[in-house]
Parts: sequence; C-alpha cells; structure tokens
Amino acid sequence: DSGVTQTPKHLITATGQRVTLRCSPRSGDLSVYWYQQSLDQGLQFLIHYYNGEERAKGNILERFSAQQFPDLHSELNLSSLELGDSALYFCASSPPQGRDTEAFFGQGTRLTVV
Amino acid sequence: GQNIDQPTEMTATEGAIVQINCTYQTSGFNGLFWYQQHAGEAPTFLSYNVLDGLEEKGRFSSFLSRSKGYSYLLLKELQMKDSASYLCAVLDSNYQLIWGAGTKLIIKP
Repeated sequence: DSGVTQTPKHLITATGQRVTLRCSPRSGDLSVYWYQQSLDQGLQFLIHYYNGEERAKGNILERFSAQQFPDLHSELNLSSLELGDSALYFCASSPPQGRDTEAFFGQGTRLTVV
Repeated sequence: GQNIDQPTEMTATEGAIVQINCTYQTSGFNGLFWYQQHAGEAPTFLSYNVLDGLEEKGRFSSFLSRSKGYSYLLLKELQMKDSASYLCAVLDSNYQLIWGAGTKLIIKP
C-alpha cells in the first residue's frame, strides 16, 4: 500500500458525460501529479499541484481540469467525455520540494467511456 | 525541450541478465528514478540515483553518468515475474518528474 488513495477504482460512463476522479495523497506530501495511461502506452503527464497551487501542465485537454484543496486532496474533472478518454488515470504524490524521494502512486482509476 | 529515451521493447531469457538503457536531456537534474509497472497496475519504485555510479539492490542495479545524460537498469537472474514495463524518470531543476515512455520487458522461458 503506497498510502495514496484513488476513488473510484472503476468507472463506466457514456460519451458526453462528466466525471470526477479523486486522489488523497500520502500524509505530509504536498505534491500531487495526475497521469493518463491509455492501453499499452506510457504515462502521459497531465498536471502537477503543489500545496494547492498549479505548478505544471502537461498534455491536458481543455475538457479536463483539476484542483487541489486545502486538505491537499485533489480532484480531476473530465467533461464531454469521448471514447478516446478511456484509460487508466493515476495520481501520485511526493514529499515537499528539496527532499529527493520518489513519487508514490495510487492504484489508479480505470475509466471506460462507452 | 526535455526528452527521455528508452527502448520500446526488449526480450530476454529466464535466468539471464538484461540491461535497459535510458538517455535524458532535461532542464537541470535532481535525480533519476526507475520504476517497474506490471500491466494494469500502478508503477512501483525500484531505484534512485543522484550521484554518478552504480547502486545495487538485490537482483537490480542502476547506474548513472550525469556527464553523459545516461542511466541503465541491470536486472540479473531474470524471473518470469520480471516481465513488466520499466520506466525511467528524471527530476528536473523545478522538481518536475519527466517520464520516459517505458521499456516493455518480455521474459521467455
């Protein structure tokens, strides 16, 4: 158990719908990263939050948005869903900057758009 | 731009040794990580290098040369359970993790 919790584990929804994925980082970790991984593909970085502020954006679509709340949990909102958005969505957390330790991954949310 | 290169796929035989290479070009360097990812599962941490040289951890070793922008992961005494993707990631000067696309390792009996 990495200490990072993601909910839900599985989600099936229809095209055009909107979903929210949730991530609770490890206690004490200030950074939260979101990644998308399509079948047999590498990790695609979406966005990074640090202590409530957006730090970096990757290839995140305009239909997607995220935020990190004061209690440091994070949500990833996906709207106007398309079939191609079906993927595993991972959240990872890491300690405060300057402490060179690894990122810890949640078990992911498997999103299926039908 | 920032770039990390790894071979897409490698095949090795059970009991043998395999070396997975990673080259990187990033804005600054605060360490290099190797992760293992089994299909459909979360990546799990294998190793971290920030200084040049070899770090050994059981059957797995990781090497770093900062001047060459190069690292490798060495897996010895391969087991079938080592079949997975191996991801190389660099922590840049802004403490952003830059990920390679991963190397899919196939182990044959």
